Amino acid sequence: ETGVTQSPTHLIKTRGQQVTLRCSSQSGHNTVSWYQQALGQGPQFIFQYYREEENGRGNFPPRFSGLQFPNYSSELNVNALELDDSALYLCASSQGTGRNEKLFFGSGTQLSVL
Amino acid sequence: QQPVQSPQAVILREGEDAVINCSSSKALYSVHWYRQKHGEAPVFLMILLKGGEQKGHEKISASFNEKKQQSSLYLTASQLSYSGTYFCGTEGSGGGADGLTFGKGTHLIIQP
Repeated sequence: ETGVTQSPTHLIKTRGQQVTLRCSSQSGHNTVSWYQQALGQGPQFIFQYYREEENGRGNFPPRFSGLQFPNYSSELNVNALELDDSALYLCASSQGTGRNEKLFFGSGTQLSVL
Repeated sequence: QQPVQSPQAVILREGEDAVINCSSSKALYSVHWYRQKHGEAPVFLMILLKGGEQKGHEKISASFNEKKQQSSLYLTASQLSYSGTYFCGTEGSGGGADGLTFGKGTHLIIQP
């Protein structure tokens, strides 16, 4: 059984640039959620994708967008990067969108915006 | 509203017990607990549903007091492997795919 994998592991960008982060969900999982984890904080929900559609969204601006592909993998895109976007971005997959679903997290992408 | 975790940090000797608390100001549907080691992914521990359910996972158990919107995680006879940051994540009772709202975490250090 393949776990959740994310790429790249580390990324350095400058303010104003755009970035794409990738996530492969665990085998058998059809739902992907993205979280932002600032240093010393808990993860903060960005959005969730199910059947290639955004299924829920946290308090993040529209410059945070995503995609889900037919194989359930997902991308997180961030436009017009700001310094405060520097964080660990975690992808989590689950078997469904139910409210009791266990989340299986990847190890994350550490994004630094200079 | 972000749940409040206490304590922020705790240092124990191997074999000692620990309790980590999670408190929310909103009505909750469920509480999730995760453990994250430095540089690693958060790992699922357990989910508790409203109804005062208590669950166990080896020497780690948890309770959920729906009326007080509080959950506690109990670590018994702690092992070195228990070190890490523990997060509670809450789901509101209002419905919708709002994801989990995580607390700031409790840092647990187990010393030999």
